[in-house]
Amino acid sequence: QVQLVESGGGLVKPGGSLRLSCATSGFIFSNYYMSWIRQAPGKGLEWVSYISTSANIIYHADSVKGRFTISRDNARNSLYLQMNSLRVEDTAVYYCARHLQYGSGSFRFDSWGQGTLVIVSS
Amino acid sequence: IQMTQSPSSLSASVGDRVTITCRTSQTISNYLNWYQQKPGKAPKLLIYAASSLQSGVPSRFSGDGSGTVFTLTVSSLQPEDFATYYCQHSDSTPSVTFGPGTKVDIK
Repeated sequence: QVQLVESGGGLVKPGGSLRLSCATSGFIFSNYYMSWIRQAPGKGLEWVSYISTSANIIYHADSVKGRFTISRDNARNSLYLQMNSLRVEDTAVYYCARHLQYGSGSFRFDSWGQGTLVIVSS
Repeated sequence: IQMTQSPSSLSASVGDRVTITCRTSQTISNYLNWYQQKPGKAPKLLIYAASSLQSGVPSRFSGDGSGTVFTLTVSSLQPEDFATYYCQHSDSTPSVTFGPGTKVDIK
């Protein structure tokens, strides 16, 4: 079955860096766009970044642009999020999610990982 | 694109019919998805393309709407349906937006 398992979260000081990973199995990873989505404690969902199948299309939310970088390794069936210059407001559970396209450029997130918690605090 | 949901929370009883509304600031055709999230868990896709039921989701969930107004209805609320529900839109601009959520709890 489809599985997505995030790792790499933890406690980091403001200005620090962290690299999140999402290991996938149960599907042909290289065939799917993927996203990172986060959720601050007690808050709603916020899309962070997405990446196309061959990594030639990458988008980041304005809130993380220039600080976060999404990448993937199709040989390892893995997705990554390099987070630099972390801020207190980046504190959240970070989920990786698989895209399923439909319509004209729209998509849904049909499979999600369990999330990894990132805490940015001094 | 801005998204609003109403109500922000509601209290209901098992067996109740519940409807949640999502409104968008621009017309988005039917490019609207609905998710359910329980505390401490990842969101789960319920409805995509406004009215298509995701595989494995009970038929008591249904979606409707087009343009700027969309609804998610639970025809007969079950104990496992108490959760927070989010609408979500994406397009090729790219724009990926979630609504603020509607919490459904037990009356």
